[in-house]
Amino acid sequence: GNSVTQMEGPVTLSEEAFLTINCTYTATGYPSLFWYVQYPGEGLQLLLKATKADDKGSNKGFEATYRKETTSFHLEKGSVQVSDSAVYFCALSRSGSARQLTFGSGTQLTVLP
Amino acid sequence: DAGITQSPRHKVTETGTPVTLRCHQTENHRYMYWYRQDPGHGLRLIHYSYGVKDTDKGEVSDGYSVSRSKTEDFLLTLESATSSQTSVYFCAISDPTSGSTDTQYFGPGTRLTVL
Repeated sequence: GNSVTQMEGPVTLSEEAFLTINCTYTATGYPSLFWYVQYPGEGLQLLLKATKADDKGSNKGFEATYRKETTSFHLEKGSVQVSDSAVYFCALSRSGSARQLTFGSGTQLTVLP
Repeated sequence: DAGITQSPRHKVTETGTPVTLRCHQTENHRYMYWYRQDPGHGLRLIHYSYGVKDTDKGEVSDGYSVSRSKTEDFLLTLESATSSQTSVYFCAISDPTSGSTDTQYFGPGTRLTVL
């Protein structure tokens, strides 16, 4: 079946540090890949997505590239801010009309000033 | 932001009592989903709906039922709540016919505690 494995957290960084959160997946077919972000006390928000191999999703300084050969979709940001502190979820959508999402376990990021 | 509301936002109940959570959308999206969020598990799909009166099970459907009598409302019912159903419940919507296929939009969540 489909699964998503995320880097174990929590991750603590200083402001302006480089961020990488690893995500690898197992899936049949050609899933779409997503990063969602959850700020404290809120629901999930779509951060970025990629729908086919070698696509790069980007938003708010975050980037992730769909790597089919390594089945990975690592999240990166060159310089994190305190406001980036949140939980980050990697997810894939199953093929089929309902496009159900399979999530990783989430990575808590804390950025210190 | 997508127009999704969930009610109640917080609920404390006792083991064995029935509980219904409501998700309401104003986007006229065809697909609606119920997830639960637990530490170490991310979000797991409980049930989903692909149209009025059309529903199907997700990976953790035992102990839950759903109903969708109108496009805008998707109800999740715990017939007899158990402590293992203490969780945060999220509703999501999507519309594969829109320009943003595959993308799901999430509500603010309902925190349910079963004592």
